[in-house]
Amino acid sequence: EVQLEESGGGLVQPGGSLRLSCSASGFSFSIYAMHWVRQAPGKGLEYVSAIISNGGSTYYADSVKGRFTISRDNSEQTVYLQMSSLRAEDTAVYYCVKRGGSGSYDYWGQGTLVTVSS
Amino acid sequence: DIQMTQSPSSVSASVGDRVTITCRASQGISSWLAWYQQRPGKAPKLLIYAASSLQSGVPSRFSGSGSGTDFTLTISSLQPEDFGTYYCQQGNSFPFTFGPGTKVEIK
Repeated sequence: EVQLEESGGGLVQPGGSLRLSCSASGFSFSIYAMHWVRQAPGKGLEYVSAIISNGGSTYYADSVKGRFTISRDNSEQTVYLQMSSLRAEDTAVYYCVKRGGSGSYDYWGQGTLVTVSS
Repeated sequence: DIQMTQSPSSVSASVGDRVTITCRASQGISSWLAWYQQRPGKAPKLLIYAASSLQSGVPSRFSGSGSGTDFTLTISSLQPEDFGTYYCQQGNSFPFTFGPGTKVEIK
């Protein structure tokens, strides 16, 4: 059974930093791209960042470019999202997602809430 | 960036009704389109990928069609558990983008 479990969310002040982790199991983690998608309270879904299977290429939404860094450890089957210079508009539930066929997301974690507030 | 639009923004239908949701991309995306259902407080669930391929375990009352810029999700016979918000998403090019969602309510 595929499982994705996020951790690391919480309350942080504007300008602060936070690192999210996503532990994966139940599939061959090292051959799949992994993404982060977020959802602000009461809003729709927004792609945040992606990393290819070997970690050699990363991609970011313009809204987080230069502030967030995605990485992965295939030996630990874990993907990370390092977030810095956080803003109120980064407040959201952050989902770790597995890339599926034709650019879809076939498995989602339960999400972790990040709240940026003073 | 590719913009995704959906219509309607909400729909209220009775059990057994046929429900159709449309999604349009601002430029051609071939068949790189997925559909998701999200129930309140839960993570989204993949229903359809590659525009018309049914994800494993998803009931056959869900179907998808279209290619290029215009796509459709159809629920052939609405069931009580089909309430929630439905999103389309393009996976043709970064940044992957989602439609704004269609809220489905059961009358």
